[in-house]
Formats: sequence, structure tokens, C-alpha cells
Amino acid sequence: SQKIEQNSEALNIQEGKTATLTCNYTNYSPAYLQWYRQDPGRGPVFLLLIRENEKEKRKERLKVTFDTTLKQSLFHITASQPADSATYLCALDDDKIIFGKGTRLHILP
Amino acid sequence: DAGVIQSPRHEVTEMGQEVTLRCKPISGHDYLFWYRQTMMRGLELLIYFNNNVPIDDSGMPEDRFSAKMPNASFSTLKIQPSEPRDSAVYFCASSAPSGGTQYFGPGTRLTVL
Repeated sequence: SQKIEQNSEALNIQEGKTATLTCNYTNYSPAYLQWYRQDPGRGPVFLLLIRENEKEKRKERLKVTFDTTLKQSLFHITASQPADSATYLCALDDDKIIFGKGTRLHILP
Repeated sequence: DAGVIQSPRHEVTEMGQEVTLRCKPISGHDYLFWYRQTMMRGLELLIYFNNNVPIDDSGMPEDRFSAKMPNASFSTLKIQPSEPRDSAVYFCASSAPSGGTQYFGPGTRLTVL
């Protein structure tokens, strides 16, 4: 069955720099892939969706790429701010949606 | 819209007791999902409904877990009897089309002693 791998280690980035998070999957390329943000004590919040025929998607300071050859999606936050600190989850459709365990991002002031 | 509503927000119970978690999806959404989140296993899909009908319950851990959706605006997840390993945060989410953006509730933090 499909598996999603996200960096389990927390990522520390200096404020103002670009944060890049990785999501790898193991089997066939999904029709689309989603990224969610989760703050402590709250449910995940949808950020972006990218389809398999799209290479890149942008929303304000966020950018997502989708490389079906590498079986990978990258999530970038440019000009990062301390308020961007959270856990970021990727999710894909495998008959039903499955989530990665997420990567904790800390933006250091 | 108030978003997805879950109750209670916190539940502490003793092993062997029955636990009922409640969810009100966003009005107009025809898909409803129940998830469980733990540090070890991350966010796991337990069951989902379409138009009040259970579509896939393959994620339900065992017979102690059951879920119902008697109408479009209410769903319950019941654990009977509860065990300490059931301790987790349980999320409910709803979406318009399947595979569409899911809107999550605030979760119920369950602790089974």
C-alpha cells in the first residue's frame, strides 16, 4: 500500500529564510497531493492542493512542487516568519486520503 | 458557518467505560471522516461516510469501535469498552466532494486511565 514519508526531525529555519519541507511517497503517483498546517491543540488546516499534471502551485509566500519521477513533493515557505512555526502534513489520495506524520517547523527570530 | 464542531473537547475515562464522541459537519458537506492522531502513528483514517452511508471502515481498529451517522448533520464515534491504548486525539472532518479539501474540527482529546 502507499506510504508517505516526511522528515520526522524538526526543521529549524532562521526568520526571513526559505523553509523547504519534503514529502515522499512510495508507490504510484496520486491524482493530487495536499498540504496542511497543524498548530498544537488544533485540527489540520488545508493550505494547497497540487494535481499530478501540475509542476508547481503558489499561494502568497507558499509554493508546492510535484515531481512524479522522484515521487516527491516539496513545500516552500519564502520569507519565513515565526508565525509560520507549526507542523506541516502532506496528504495524498490512495482510494482514500492518507496523511504523512508531518514535519515540525520552527522559525527562529 | 461555525466550521466542524466536535464534543467533548476533552474526555477522561476509566478503562472499560463506554466513550461517545460527537461531530457536526459543515452544512452542505456530504463527506464525513473520523481520524485518530497519536505521536507514534500520526493521523489515521478510521472511517468515512458519504451521504450518511459508511463507505470505508477498514481503518477501524477493532469491534470495540463503531460509528454512526443518523443524519447529515450529526455523527458519533463510540468506543466500548475503552482501553488505555485508545488514548489519542480524535478528529472529525468534512468535505464537499471526495478527495476535496477536508475541514477538520478541533478534535477530542481522549485519555483512558
